[in-house]
Amino acid sequence: DSGVTQTPKHLITATGQRVTLRCSPRSGDLSVYWYQQSLDQGLQFLIQYYNGEERAKGNILERFSAQQFPDLHSELNLSSLELGDSALYFCASSATLAFPGRTYEQYFGPGTRLTVT
Amino acid sequence: GQQVMQIPQYQHVQEGEDFTTYCNSSTTLSNIQWYKQRPGGHPVFLIQLVKSGEVKKQKRLTFQFGEAKKNSSLHITATQTTDVGTYFCAGGPNAGGTSYGKLTFGQGTILTVHP
Repeated sequence: DSGVTQTPKHLITATGQRVTLRCSPRSGDLSVYWYQQSLDQGLQFLIQYYNGEERAKGNILERFSAQQFPDLHSELNLSSLELGDSALYFCASSATLAFPGRTYEQYFGPGTRLTVT
Repeated sequence: GQQVMQIPQYQHVQEGEDFTTYCNSSTTLSNIQWYKQRPGGHPVFLIQLVKSGEVKKQKRLTFQFGEAKKNSSLHITATQTTDVGTYFCAGGPNAGGTSYGKLTFGQGTILTVHP
């Protein structure tokens, strides 16, 4: 158990809908990362937050957005869902904000499996 | 942007055989991390390498970071069925980058071990 929690575990929804995935980082971790894992794309970095502020962005679609709240939990919002958005979405956390040239190990949650029908 | 390539994509071995996965980056990395994901599970951190030419061992696992800090390898000696899973390398941005903490993951190597 990594200490990172994600809800829900599974989500089935229809195209065009909007969903919210929730993540609680390990106690004391200030950085939260979101990843998308699909069969043909591996682990794709979406976005990173540190203590409520966005710090890095990956290949995140405009239909997707995220935020980190004062209690440090984070939510990933996916809207206008398409079939291709079906994937496993992981949240990870790390202890602190990395500085240039240094990264810290990330602790992954169990993931949310999203199926868009 | 930074790209991290990992080969092979799949590796099937008999229990007791050795296994190696290789990771290559298009740019110089500040560090490299390795993760293991068991089937149906989530990635779990294994190790981080920071120094040029660094070699680290964890029991039957040996990790290397290239001299130019653009490649890395993971070698498992005498595989066991418990080694089954996907092994990912992940490169940290170089010192000139601004994406603090962002890791670029390789595609992963799926290891199957036949008893």
